[in-house]
Order: sequence, then structure tokens, then C-alpha cells
Amino acid sequence: SQKIEQNSEALNIQEGKTATLTCNYTNYSPAYLQWYRQDPGRGPVFLLLIRENEKEKRKERLKVTFDTTLKQSLFHITASQPADSATYLCARSGANNLFFGTGTRLTVIP
Amino acid sequence: DTEVTQTPKHLVMGMTNKKSLKCEQHMGHRAMYWYKQKAKKPPELMFVYSYEKLSINESVPSRFSPECPNSSLLNLHLHALQPEDSALYLCASSQDSILLGGTDTQYFGPGTRLTVL
Repeated sequence: SQKIEQNSEALNIQEGKTATLTCNYTNYSPAYLQWYRQDPGRGPVFLLLIRENEKEKRKERLKVTFDTTLKQSLFHITASQPADSATYLCARSGANNLFFGTGTRLTVIP
Repeated sequence: DTEVTQTPKHLVMGMTNKKSLKCEQHMGHRAMYWYKQKAKKPPELMFVYSYEKLSINESVPSRFSPECPNSSLLNLHLHALQPEDSALYLCASSQDSILLGGTDTQYFGPGTRLTVL
């Protein structure tokens, strides 16, 4: 079956460091992947979309890469801040909907 | 206006009650979605409306009944729910279906926290 997985349930990182989150997919080749941020009790917020023919996409302190050989997308937050603490979800598209990974809960420690 | 609104924010209901959740967007999006999310789990798709027609029903029990009165509004009617239905219910919208060559980047509302007693 087609799967999308985020290996780390939780990640703690010191303020100022770069956080790197991983999303792996199996048994299919997505045309693009999306990353969302979710704060507790709130709806996910779209951050970035990367297509299969794009190696890298940036937005301010955020960077996403897409490696079709490794079947993996990496999500980086540089110069991390406590305000970046949240759950980050990667998502792939289905026939008419999104399938989300299980999410990685990032905590940035001051 | 890039916002999806949901009402109410919180809802407590008994197993015999009938209630409705409401969702509204004014971004001109033609696809709208209901998700259910339990604690520490990702959102799970319940229903998809595309151009005001129900296109996906992910085997949701009939005690949940969706309705799309127009392209901006989406309702979820609740009846005879069970305590295990307690969750965060999220509404989302997207501009284009991927079937039309677009991407399905979704814009989520803040959710309704539902508690069934």
C-alpha cells in the first residue's frame, strides 16, 4: 500500500540550531509533497509544497528538499526559535484528498 | 479573505442530541473537506465535496451527515454520537482538485472541539 511516514514522533532542539524533520514515502511516486504546521487544538497551516522536479524550496527560515531516489523529503528550520515549537506534518495527495504522515512534534528549547 | 471559519469552537453533546457543525470560506475554493482528528494523531479524512457534490465518503458512520448548501458553506450534522466520536473536527478547502491539474493545498479552519458525553 502507498505509505507516507514521519520517523520521529518527537524532536527536541536547542534554540538557534537547525531542526531537520524527515518524511519517507513508499510504493508510489508523488508528483509533489506538502508540509504543514499544526499548533495544539488548531487546524494545520500550509507551509511549503515541493514538486518532484524541484530539488529544494525555500521560504524565509524554512527549506524543503525532495529526493526521489531516497523517496524522502527533508524539512529544515534554520536558526530555530521557541515559537517554532509545533507539530509538523508532511502530506501526499490521493485521488481527491490529502494523506498525512503521523507528524513530528518539535520542541525548541530556549 | 484567506480564512476558513468554523462554528462552534467547542461543543458538548449527549448521545441522544442532534447538533450541527458549520464551516465557511470565501476564497472561491471549489473543494471542501471534513476531517476528524484524535489527540496525537494526524487528521483523518471523512468527506470531500467537489463543486458542491459529495465525491468521497471514507466509510463514515451514518450518524455523521454532511451537507454542502452552496460553494461557500459546509455543514456536518451529528446525531446519536458515541463517546468515541469525541475529537477535533476540522474543515478545509482547496482551490482546485488535482484531477483538474491543480494542487490540493488545503486551508484549514480552527476546528470544533467536540465532546460526547
